[in-house]
Amino acid sequence: DAGVIQSPRHEVTEMGQEVTLRCKPISGHNSLFWYRQTMMRGLELLIYFNNNVPIDDSGMPEDRFSAKMPNASFSTLKIQPSEPRDSAVYFCASSSRDTQYFGPGTRLTVL
Amino acid sequence: QKEVEQDPGPLSVPEGAIVSLNCTYSNSAFQYFMWYRQYSRKGPELLMYTYSSGNKEDGRFTAQVDKSSKYISLFIRDSQPSDSATYLCAINRIQGAQKLVFGQGTRLTINP
Repeated sequence: DAGVIQSPRHEVTEMGQEVTLRCKPISGHNSLFWYRQTMMRGLELLIYFNNNVPIDDSGMPEDRFSAKMPNASFSTLKIQPSEPRDSAVYFCASSSRDTQYFGPGTRLTVL
Repeated sequence: QKEVEQDPGPLSVPEGAIVSLNCTYSNSAFQYFMWYRQYSRKGPELLMYTYSSGNKEDGRFTAQVDKSSKYISLFIRDSQPSDSATYLCAINRIQGAQKLVFGQGTRLTINP
């Protein structure tokens, strides 16, 4: 299995632009998680889905952030409009039981 | 108070040393404890998983849980340069990969 796939791996954009991060979970996994990692705040859970349904989005920082999972093999995290404080590494993870498998991350820089 | 506290380090030790990494947590409802390893510019990967007090060994790695003190540890014996990474503790209230709470992560460097 290819593992969790994220794209793009790097994204540099200007403040105010829309950013869309993409994730393909491991086939057969029914849970999907979006995390954000920064030096200051560490690894923070933004939102997670079970069977494509959002279960807990309490970690989403504000309305500028939205996430969707239209089917079992694809999810997006969108930031609109983006701000410099959104600069971070965004990870997607998927799981079927006890173990979360992380993707390689998307390094986002907002200028 | 954060739910999980972990010293971010950095921690630097010579090759072959025994390394001790630690986390404390505040809520006794947490029952499941994990250690993840994250290499530079990679995603975290699960290293150890335990749900009971006591020790669990896997090769050179030992995870220790003391629920009475709300304290978890990861020991690395005969440390190698390839162990250089950031180590994150993670805890959960219920079994199953639901809402994990991660520590800040400790950056470890093993010097040859």
